[in-house]
Amino acid sequence: GQNIDQPTEMTATEGAIVQINCTYQTSGFNGLFWYQQHAGEAPTFLSYNVLDGLEEKGRFSSFLSRSKGYSYLLLKELQMKDSASYLCAVTRRGYNKLIFGAGTRLAVHP
Amino acid sequence: KAGVTQTPRYLIKTRGQQVTLSCSPISGHRSVSWYQQTPGQGLQFLFEYFSETQRNKGNFPGRFSGRQFSNSRSEMNVSTLELGDSALYLCASSLRTGGENEQYFGPGTRLTVT
Repeated sequence: GQNIDQPTEMTATEGAIVQINCTYQTSGFNGLFWYQQHAGEAPTFLSYNVLDGLEEKGRFSSFLSRSKGYSYLLLKELQMKDSASYLCAVTRRGYNKLIFGAGTRLAVHP
Repeated sequence: KAGVTQTPRYLIKTRGQQVTLSCSPISGHRSVSWYQQTPGQGLQFLFEYFSETQRNKGNFPGRFSGRQFSNSRSEMNVSTLELGDSALYLCASSLRTGGENEQYFGPGTRLTVT
């Protein structure tokens, strides 16, 4: 079966750093995606990890540990516009199907 | 390059009716996947089409069906609509199939069933 867990809500202060965790139990795990979704809009791609380690892309970084079934998304120098839902999603080998977690709603306040 | 487009953006239907939603992928992308998003269930996979063939299917009843045309455009059909089908329907395109490809989402079709 598939099980993906991430915190429901988080709050952080503008300019700070926040880490959003995601744990998964997925048979045939292939890779892990992070998407950002603002209210009323479509998800937008942030990152993709298939190997262990950290991938850095500007203010956003994503980490994966395949042996631990664990990933995190790190957002630095938070801005008000980063207030959104962050969705963790996994794929299984050979399948293009994204299996999503419930999402983490991040609120950034001044 | 133009992004993924979906039509219509909003739709109101009555229980028992049927509906067809359309998705045009990014130029050159051959895989189109459909997802349903509701507050209670989150984002759930409906099906994927690649080269006009259904590759994967999620756990949805047979009332949900789809197809893909030779130009990679895809349609999704829901027959005998139920109140619980009210949701945001998102389509996503990727270059290839296989689970290692970034999927780019369209703006979605907001379906309301009354």
